[in-house]
Amino acid sequence: AQTVTQSQPEMSVQEAETVTLSCTYDTSESDYYLFWYKQPPSRQMILVIRQEAYKQQNATENRFSVNFQKAAKSFSLKISDSQLGDAAMYFCAYRRGGGATNKLIFGTGTLLAVQP
Amino acid sequence: NAGVTQTPKFRILKIGQSMTLQCTQDMNHNYMYWYRQDPGMGLKLIYYSVGAGITDKGEVPNGYNVSRSTTEDFPLRLELAAPSQTSVYFCASSYDRDSNQPQHFGDGTRLSIL
Repeated sequence: AQTVTQSQPEMSVQEAETVTLSCTYDTSESDYYLFWYKQPPSRQMILVIRQEAYKQQNATENRFSVNFQKAAKSFSLKISDSQLGDAAMYFCAYRRGGGATNKLIFGTGTLLAVQP
Repeated sequence: NAGVTQTPKFRILKIGQSMTLQCTQDMNHNYMYWYRQDPGMGLKLIYYSVGAGITDKGEVPNGYNVSRSTTEDFPLRLELAAPSQTSVYFCASSYDRDSNQPQHFGDGTRLSIL
């Protein structure tokens, strides 16, 4: 069975600084997708960034980028120039590819605090 | 631009009561999902549906039932509420064939069983 592990329950970063959130996963599949979701206090689940396993290039979305290490099964999220609005719970998620039923498997989350 | 709409946002139930959590989406997505999120945990899949008339169990289906009579609606039913079902419930939907497509989430329903 696939699993997703986030080993950092809480992280803190100063405004305008850079922070990296860790995520590792376990799978025997070769075709899959990885996601980072943000959950602010409003409880919404907001997609931050996605990565296709077959792509070697790391995904980037403005201030958000990932370090995808397929062999190590690692998928970390880097937030540059952190802003107060980045404070939230961040979830790493995995989905098997190949026309599967799109079930997401979530990690337990990392609570990010941004200090002014 | 409604997306995924869940009702109610909050509910308190007594043990043994039943209720239905409503979920509707206006994006014509075939895939719909119900998750629960316990405190300090990630989301766990309860049930999912790949289209009208088709549903299947997820990771934690016990104590719940679903139906999918239309593409838009995917209600979740609790028949005999138990304290262990106190949680935040999220409904989500996605376009089906491409696993790259993200799931769109509703705002959640906070349910307390006392």
